[in-house]
Parts: sequence; C-alpha cells; structure tokens
Amino acid sequence: RKEVEQDPGPFNVPEGATVAFNCTYSNSASQSFFWYRQDCRKEPKLLMSVYSSGNEDGRFTAQLNRASQYISLLIRDSKLSDSATYLCVVNMAYGGATNKLIFGTGTLLAVQP
Amino acid sequence: DGGITQSPKYLFRKEGQNVTLSCEQNLNHDAMYWYRQDPGQGLRLIYYSQIVNDFQKGDIAEGYSVSREKKESFPLTVTSAQKNPTAFYLCASSTGQGIEKLFFGSGTQLSVL
Repeated sequence: RKEVEQDPGPFNVPEGATVAFNCTYSNSASQSFFWYRQDCRKEPKLLMSVYSSGNEDGRFTAQLNRASQYISLLIRDSKLSDSATYLCVVNMAYGGATNKLIFGTGTLLAVQP
Repeated sequence: DGGITQSPKYLFRKEGQNVTLSCEQNLNHDAMYWYRQDPGQGLRLIYYSQIVNDFQKGDIAEGYSVSREKKESFPLTVTSAQKNPTAFYLCASSTGQGIEKLFFGSGTQLSVL
C-alpha cells in the first residue's frame, strides 16, 4: 500500500460546480497534513494546511478524519483558474528533528467553461 | 524579493556526462531539499540538508550528489551513474523548525540527449 494515495483523476467539472478530492495515508502516527497546488510544469505551492477541526479558506475547505486516515479538499463554485493538480502531502513524523514529507501523486482538476 | 532560484530551467545531458543543477535561496532558511518528479508519480526526496556542511540521503539518492558549503546554496549533481535522469527536479527550502511550509524553486527539466 502506498504511504499516501490519491485518485489521479482527471476530474472534469463545469464552472461553478463543487468538487471534492480525498487522500488516504497509511501511517496512523502522521502529524501534519497539507494540500499543495501545482500548475503544469511549475513548482508546487501551499494551498492550505489541514487541521483536526477542519478549516476553510474562502471557497476551499479541508477536513481530516484520523480514524479513517484520510483528508479531503472541497472546492466550491469552481473557477477556470482552479484547473491544476492538487497534491496531498503528509508529514510522516518519525520523531526527532527529521520530518518526512510524503507527496501523493496528485489529482488533476480541469474546470470547463 | 526573497525566494528560491533554480537554474537552468531546461538542461540536456549526454550519455556518461555529469551535470549540476543550481539552487540558491535568500530566505535565510536552514533546511534545503531536492525532489524529483516523474509523470504520474509524487515528488520523491533525493537529498536534504538541515544545516551547512551537513546533508542526508533521501529515498532515491543513488546516482546523485550534493554539497552544502553555504547556507544559501544547495547544488545537485546528476552523475553518469544515474541511468534514468530524465525528470523534473525541484529544490525547496524551509526554516527547518518543525512542521512548516516548503518553499519551492521553479524547477529544472532535465532530459537525456
């Protein structure tokens, strides 16, 4: 089983739609969770961290379910500019000073006009 | 403006040749990282450095070498021992203090002639 798994997509949705991505992780001791956005052949950029209580940033909502070991990202009112690959990132902290970030393969979102 | 600069943007390697990818940051970050990204795969850690004059192997270090002589610089050499070097290479940095945001450079696409 991969340490971090995502549905690769593509998710093709019309403008204005609501879309949700899930990501599962294998290490129950994982401490921190993030969603990054990556445009084609560009560097990943942090979209949002994911907190235990869930968090929202404008049209974006992130949720964490520790019992089932998954995180989710919900995008409301999709815009054309939301088209990108969304990377799930999990910090598999094994203790000590070294933190190990594991990147999922990414989910491709294509918002259609 | 502070940030991470990678160069070159595109690089071609001939058979048996060593090539060096540059990564410079002016964020005063202690930790620097090199990742490799292949199509359909998540980012994989090649090497990382948490402090000047010290670095550790990541998950796929074979065929690569690094140095960290200055805080600002973390060059990656792709040696002739790396038989499948074609990939998108990303350099990143962080403060190194616990779990926090990674700042990425814009990447170098390496191809084999």
